Formats: sequence, C-alpha cells, structure tokens
Amino acid sequence: DAGITQSPRYKITETGRQVTLMCHQTWSHSYMFWYRQDLGHGLRLIYYSAAADITDKGEVPDGYVVSRSKTENFPLTLESATRSQTSVYFCASSEGPALTGELFFGEGSRLTVL
Amino acid sequence: QKEVEQNSGPLSVPEGAIASLNCTYSDRGSQSFFWYRQYSGKSPELIMSIYSNGDKEDGRFTAQLNKASQYVSLLIRDSQPSDSATYLCAVTPIKAAGNKLTFGGGTRVLVKP
Repeated sequence: DAGITQSPRYKITETGRQVTLMCHQTWSHSYMFWYRQDLGHGLRLIYYSAAADITDKGEVPDGYVVSRSKTENFPLTLESATRSQTSVYFCASSEGPALTGELFFGEGSRLTVL
Repeated sequence: QKEVEQNSGPLSVPEGAIASLNCTYSDRGSQSFFWYRQYSGKSPELIMSIYSNGDKEDGRFTAQLNKASQYVSLLIRDSQPSDSATYLCAVTPIKAAGNKLTFGGGTRVLVKP
C-alpha cells in the first residue's frame, strides 16, 4: 500500500546507544521532514530534506544525524541517545515546499531512552 | 515568545455547538497557515489551509486569517463527538524560505454528547 511508513513503531534503548529510525515513502515526494512531539512543546522540526543528498537543520537538530541517498528514504540517527530524546518521532513528506501544501505524516515512532 | 501560540485547552463544547480555536504567530511576514487535526495516538492530518486574509470554508470547518493582527482561527460548526481531537495550528515563517512548518502546541477539543 502506498504511503509513508516508519519503523520501528516502538523502541526502547539505553543512554549512549545509537538508534536509527527509518522512514520510507512511496509517493516520490521531493520533501521529507523529521519532527519530534513532546508534551508542552508540540511538534518541533529536527531536519528536513528538499531532495536526495540535500538536507538542512530544523529547530532542534543537536544530537541527530540524517541522510538521504535515495528520494524515498530519510533515516534519522541518534548517535548517542540521551533521556531527553525520549519522544514520539514523526516523519513527513510533501510534494513541494512546506508553505505550498500538505504534509503527509507517518504513524510515528515512539522512542524511550532509559 | 513562541513563534506559534495556542491555548492548550481542553476546550469543551456540547454536541451541535460551535467550537472556536485561536492561534497567534509572531513572524509578521508569515505566508501560509494550516490547521492539522490529531487524534490521540495518531499522526496529524491536514484539515484546512489558508493563505490570504479573510474566511475560507470547507464543510463544517471555517478558517479565518487576519495578518494585521497576526492570528488565525478555526471554527467547527455543528460539533460532533468525532471532532474530539487536538488541533494544531501551523505556520510557515518567511525567514524559513518556505521549507519549515512551525507548529503550535495544539488545542485539545472535547465534544460532549
């Protein structure tokens, strides 16, 4: 089924471990985004990508790494997880820039860092 | 000051009534404005977009934009229990060159039968 999928949906890890959250979309959308959602902060942009091999920082990029070697994939890596990175992570994609239209969100990945 | 501010709620409305949600933003040059709905445990989904001053209606939903006062609102007419969700206001600040959508914290709406 076409769409945007995230994996894993749930992950528990320990402080200091590396974690990669995967995001895959089948629409061939140019733009992809990673957000985190925390109580009291709403959705905050971590990184975004305008096309393959083009990425840029969002509001809260520290501690995260992204890559986009293929249009359809946009993995997010926490190089050394910290408890403050416990959150729900949403990947999203859009056909054009965010100002012109709809973002389509994945189902989210709930990450707990112990 | 947060870039996009919303009252967190909950906004409790009886079934059939009008729910009125407000959102203010700080960047006067903001260009695009969106309302997303998020059910508990689910991902956000777009319900309205508005780009120019005035009202925009789509079914039971009306978005209102006032750039001079820097606010955008959402009205939900004939509220239904299925409208119970968190509503997120989102704005593209001009300084972000259109690629960054900034979200407010959301307003939780409870529609009581």
